[in-house]
Amino acid sequence: GQSLEQPSEVTAVEGAIVQINCTYQTSGFYGLSWYQQHDGGAPTFLSYNALDGLEETGRFSSFLSRSDSYGYLLLQELQMKDSASYFCAVRDSARQLTFGSGTQLTVLP
Amino acid sequence: DGGITQSPKYLFRKEGQNVTLSCEQNLNHDAMYWYRQDPGQGLRLIYYSQIVNDFQKGDIAEGYSVSREKKESFPLTVTSAQKNPTAFYLCASGGDGAATEAFFGQGTRLTVV
Repeated sequence: GQSLEQPSEVTAVEGAIVQINCTYQTSGFYGLSWYQQHDGGAPTFLSYNALDGLEETGRFSSFLSRSDSYGYLLLQELQMKDSASYFCAVRDSARQLTFGSGTQLTVLP
Repeated sequence: DGGITQSPKYLFRKEGQNVTLSCEQNLNHDAMYWYRQDPGQGLRLIYYSQIVNDFQKGDIAEGYSVSREKKESFPLTVTSAQKNPTAFYLCASGGDGAATEAFFGQGTRLTVV
């Protein structure tokens, strides 16, 4: 089966940089993706890594190390609207998409 | 507009009754997924389907059933066998490629009364 671990909570101030880590165990790894979910809303896709290295999308970047089964989401120039839950997810060879338990990010003024 | 639609947004059920949650997508995606989310928790996979007339159990399939008779539709039935059905249910769809993002519906909040 698949399992993912990420911190339950992270707090940072506006304008800061925050990193949310994710470690995973899966068979037939196809990629690690990240989603954002605001309270009461639906998750929305942020980024995806299939190969080792850093992917940058605006203020958000995501990193993957397949040998370490580890990835992270980096959020720069934090804004109040970034307060949300962030989930890492892995897709395996059977195309099953499994999510971590989520990290609640609180951005303080 | 292309997207994925879940209905209803809120649903109340009496104990012992089955209830079906609707999920429709017009994104031409092969893969569809059902997740359950409890307050302050992550998304747990109930069922997923990669192709019409085929579906696989996820981590918490007990007490749930699905069908995939059409590519566009993946309804979820919460049966009376599900002992704690009150939760937020999310449906998602994705394309064939491993890199394809998953698109989510707005969710159905089910409450057992």
